[in-house]
Amino acid sequence: NAGVMQNPRHLVRRRGQEARLRCSPMKGHSHVYWYRQLPEEGLKFMVYLQKENIIDESGMPKERFSAEFPKEGPSILRIQQVVRGDSAAYFCASSPKQGAVGYTFGSGTRLTVV
Amino acid sequence: GQSLEQPSEVTAVEGAIVQINCTYQTSGFYGLSWYQQHDGGAPTFLSYNALDGLEETGRFSSFLSRSDSYGYLLLQELQMKDSASYFCAVISPTKGSSARQLTFGSGTQLTVLP
Repeated sequence: NAGVMQNPRHLVRRRGQEARLRCSPMKGHSHVYWYRQLPEEGLKFMVYLQKENIIDESGMPKERFSAEFPKEGPSILRIQQVVRGDSAAYFCASSPKQGAVGYTFGSGTRLTVV
Repeated sequence: GQSLEQPSEVTAVEGAIVQINCTYQTSGFYGLSWYQQHDGGAPTFLSYNALDGLEETGRFSSFLSRSDSYGYLLLQELQMKDSASYFCAVISPTKGSSARQLTFGSGTQLTVLP
């Protein structure tokens, strides 16, 4: 079992470009969560998805950010027209069911906007 | 909303015992979790308390007092490899949904000295 796979590990984008972050959950996990972490800070919840559904996007900025978890393929976090403030580590986690007490996290994608 | 307080830094020597405290304020509460993160890598799940009392897992124990909105992580027989960030996280209901939300504290950086 390969665990939660995130790619790319590092992503550099110029201001105004688009960033696409991918997350493949653990085998058998159908619940995916995206978190953002700034240096020296905790993880901030962004969005919770199940296959083809967004369950909770209360932590997602209203503009430029979107997420999907299609029936086939990885979950995608998309950031349009990136700005310097988007530079952060983005972590994806998965769980096998709603209400699981422990999430399995991926190694994250470090986004740097230059 | 949810808020969690934990010390930003703790230092201890190898072989010692250290306690990392966490207080929280939340509307709705299912339980308190602890995660470990090394050098900005993937956070890993350590423990979960839904009921009052102490849960022990090897060298690590976690305690919860729901009436005091307080918990702690106890690390015994500290090893150099325990140097990491430790996050408490509250599991609480999501408004308007049956989904559960995991909200993290800002983390405690533990440094273990030889």
